[in-house]
Amino acid sequence: DSGVTQTPKHLITATGQRVTLRCSPRSGDLSVYWYQQSLDQGLQFLIQYYNGEERAKGNILERFSAQQFPDLHSELNLSSLELGDSALYFCASSVTGGTNEKLFFGSGTQLSVL
Amino acid sequence: QKEVEQDPGPLSVPEGAIVSLNCTYSNSAFQYFMWYRQYSRKGPELLMYTYSSGNKEDGRFTAQVDKSSKYISLFIRDSQPSDSATYLCAMSDGPGAGSYQLTFGKGTKLSVIP
Repeated sequence: DSGVTQTPKHLITATGQRVTLRCSPRSGDLSVYWYQQSLDQGLQFLIQYYNGEERAKGNILERFSAQQFPDLHSELNLSSLELGDSALYFCASSVTGGTNEKLFFGSGTQLSVL
Repeated sequence: QKEVEQDPGPLSVPEGAIVSLNCTYSNSAFQYFMWYRQYSRKGPELLMYTYSSGNKEDGRFTAQVDKSSKYISLFIRDSQPSDSATYLCAMSDGPGAGSYQLTFGKGTKLSVIP
């Protein structure tokens, strides 16, 4: 167990809908990352937060947004969902998001858009 | 051409075999090279981390980097059924295994048959 908790484990929804994925980092970790994993694209970095502030953005669509709250949990919001958004969404955490830090991944949320 | 290419397999070997997993890449700026292991329905976990060219050994695992050929390898000796997983290579042009600027291969699925 990595110590990173993601909920829900599975989510089934329809096109055009909006969903929220939740992540609780390991105790003591200040930095949270979101990744998307699909068969086509593999594991792709979406966004990183550190202590409530956005630190870096990757291949995140404008329909997607995220935030990190004062208690350090994070939420990834996906709106106007399309079939192609179906994927496994991972959250990871690290202590400060700095150099030589290991990322700890959660078990992911499997999103199916029908 | 994708930045990182990895044969998706699947690769099936008998228990005790030596396994060789490989990735090629095109970005000569990559300096940090990692291998992650991902069990079914779990998030990736960091297995090996190397900087620049050379070899690194950890128990039954050896990671090799050949920057001149833009080629990295992971060798698993005396493979065990518990090694059955998907192996993802990842690389970065920034410092640290925790760097968010990771580019992943799509992963090779390995099955070790008892």
